[in-house]
Amino acid sequence: DIQMTQSPSSLSASVGDRVTITCRASQSISIYLNWYQQKPGKAPKLLMFAASSLQSGVPSRFIGSGSGTDFTLTISSLQPEDFATYYCQQSNTAPITFGQGTRLEIK
Amino acid sequence: QVQLVQSGTEVKNPGASVKVSCEASGYSFTNYALHWVRQAPGQSLEWMGWITAGNGNTKSSQKFQGRITITSDTSANTAYMELSSLKSEDTAVYYCARVAITIFGEVIHRYFDYWGQGTLVSVSS
Repeated sequence: DIQMTQSPSSLSASVGDRVTITCRASQSISIYLNWYQQKPGKAPKLLMFAASSLQSGVPSRFIGSGSGTDFTLTISSLQPEDFATYYCQQSNTAPITFGQGTRLEIK
Repeated sequence: QVQLVQSGTEVKNPGASVKVSCEASGYSFTNYALHWVRQAPGQSLEWMGWITAGNGNTKSSQKFQGRITITSDTSANTAYMELSSLKSEDTAVYYCARVAITIFGEVIHRYFDYWGQGTLVSVSS
């Protein structure tokens, strides 16, 4: 199975900050990488697919990049509603696997 | 609008089975695959399996093979996930999720664009 490792596991930041979350795959997955945001008690919400394609309705402050094994999700200017947990997910090879999550907290 | 509505909370004893439903609306049920993903308390997301609603083809994670059955009822636009021989470690929120496809050139990208609200399954004696 492809292992997905996110860093950091948690992050404290302030409104207006620029933050970057990293996701590393245990083998090359091209750009078969998706990002989700999850708030407490809610289902995950798709932010980005194919590493850098913004899902419809998602603000442009969310920026995805990377290919192969290394990927990043950047939030260019944090808004109050962005404090949540973020997951990467690979769709290159079955079984589908997710990262362990990055919890973004208010400083 | 697309909606996936799941059945309610389940409390089960170890060794029992649970069947969770996921009713779809707002799109053509048979044109999409539905996956099942679970999340144990405080943990990440774990993929379990999927069904192609149109033809009933299924695939599940090796971790659950022998214990999981995924089915669909096209007349009811509903998918089901049944997990047997429950253990305490199966306590989790279970989600269904629709897979969308985008094609870039010859490359097909799949991702979960809509999710159900989740069903809590609690396994305890």
